[in-house]
Amino acid sequence: QVTLKESGPVLVKPTETLTLTCTVSGFSLNNVRMGVSWIRQPPGKALECLAHIFSNDEKSYSTSLKSRLTISKDTSKSQVVLTMTNMDPVDTATYYCVRIRGINQEMDVWGKGTTVTVSS
Amino acid sequence: DIQMTQSPPSLSASVGDRVTITCRASQSISTYLNWYQQKPGKAPNLLIYAAASLEGGVPSRFSGRGSGTDFTLTISSLQAEDFATYYCQQSYNTPFTFGPGTKVDIK
Repeated sequence: QVTLKESGPVLVKPTETLTLTCTVSGFSLNNVRMGVSWIRQPPGKALECLAHIFSNDEKSYSTSLKSRLTISKDTSKSQVVLTMTNMDPVDTATYYCVRIRGINQEMDVWGKGTTVTVSS
Repeated sequence: DIQMTQSPPSLSASVGDRVTITCRASQSISTYLNWYQQKPGKAPNLLIYAAASLEGGVPSRFSGRGSGTDFTLTISSLQAEDFATYYCQQSYNTPFTFGPGTKVDIK
């Protein structure tokens, strides 16, 4: 069974750096044509793609947030890590870790999400 | 980045109704289009991938079609458990992008 689980702080202060970890099971981060994305959703708003990392270690970032994001993976630990610098209250959201599957690159398995609040 | 739009933003419908949601991409994305359903407080769930392929376990009343820039998601006979928000998403180019969503609620 494929699962993804997000972990990280519930509360961060403005200007701090957020570090989120996604621990996957049921598949390898080296599987060809698979990857992991981080998606976020502010309260009452739409989904937003933040970053993607693929089996060949190719990475991609949201254009508007690129300067603040870093995605990396540790295959031996089955973990994908996202860091976002200079957090602001507008970054308050639920953050999801998602598996990307196949040639079409659909997002087929989602973690339950972790809610992050940015407040002093 | 490829921009995705959806219409309508929301709709009210009754159980048994046929419902169609439209999604448009700002450039051609072939059939790299996916549809997700999200219920309140839950993570999204993949319904349709590659524009028209039904994800395993998804009821056959859901169907998708389209290619290029214009796509539709149709629910042939709306059921109580289908009241939710639906998102389209392109996987043609990174960064992948979502539409703004269509909320389907009870008339």
